[in-house]
Amino acid sequence: DAKTTQPTSMDCAEGRAANLPCNHSTISGNEYVYWYRQIHSQGPQYIIHGLKNNETNEMASLIITEDRKSSTLILPHATLRDTAVYYCIVRPLGDKIIFGKGTRLHILP
Amino acid sequence: KAGVTQTPRYLIKTRGQQVTLSCSPISGHRSVSWYQQTPGQGLQFLFEYFSETQRNKGNFPGRFSGRQFSNSRSEMNVSTLELGDSALYLCASSYRDGREEQYFGPGTRLTVT
Repeated sequence: DAKTTQPTSMDCAEGRAANLPCNHSTISGNEYVYWYRQIHSQGPQYIIHGLKNNETNEMASLIITEDRKSSTLILPHATLRDTAVYYCIVRPLGDKIIFGKGTRLHILP
Repeated sequence: KAGVTQTPRYLIKTRGQQVTLSCSPISGHRSVSWYQQTPGQGLQFLFEYFSETQRNKGNFPGRFSGRQFSNSRSEMNVSTLELGDSALYLCASSYRDGREEQYFGPGTRLTVT
């Protein structure tokens, strides 16, 4: 079973920051937080991952709380092309990926 | 750099038949993982191969099998197809040397009639 809890769906206005929360209260010390997204009819796309420090790349930022029990994925300026299902996953390095239901993000024009 | 490629993209089979799907990973990637995606069960992990050895396995019956070749290309086979095997089968590759990000292919859409 997935070890994360995410809202089923969220809306965000185009051009605004999209903040997607994820709860992983049972995360272990050696488990990383990963985010993937799946645009309709395509394979999932890797976004970002982190262990305990906040991370940023060209796609998004990942904010992990100090106790590591939750995290937030931030898409700084959402566009219509960011409409997708976003998956938050926790796993140790080398372990299989268990996908949950994810959050369906709708970007509104 | 070319992405993960999967062939065929679409396939129609009948119950009882067997099917083989192919995945070519990104150049330099040594790990290939397979997933099944259905509307009811979502994305489910099938198995992972690294350097021609199965490294991880999901909870699927023995009818689902796979292998990896020395060039890292991978195939998965499903024998005695059932209607419930209709799904999108996705392949993902990664370096598996600490760079753990998986890159997914477009998938093979299998329909069993």
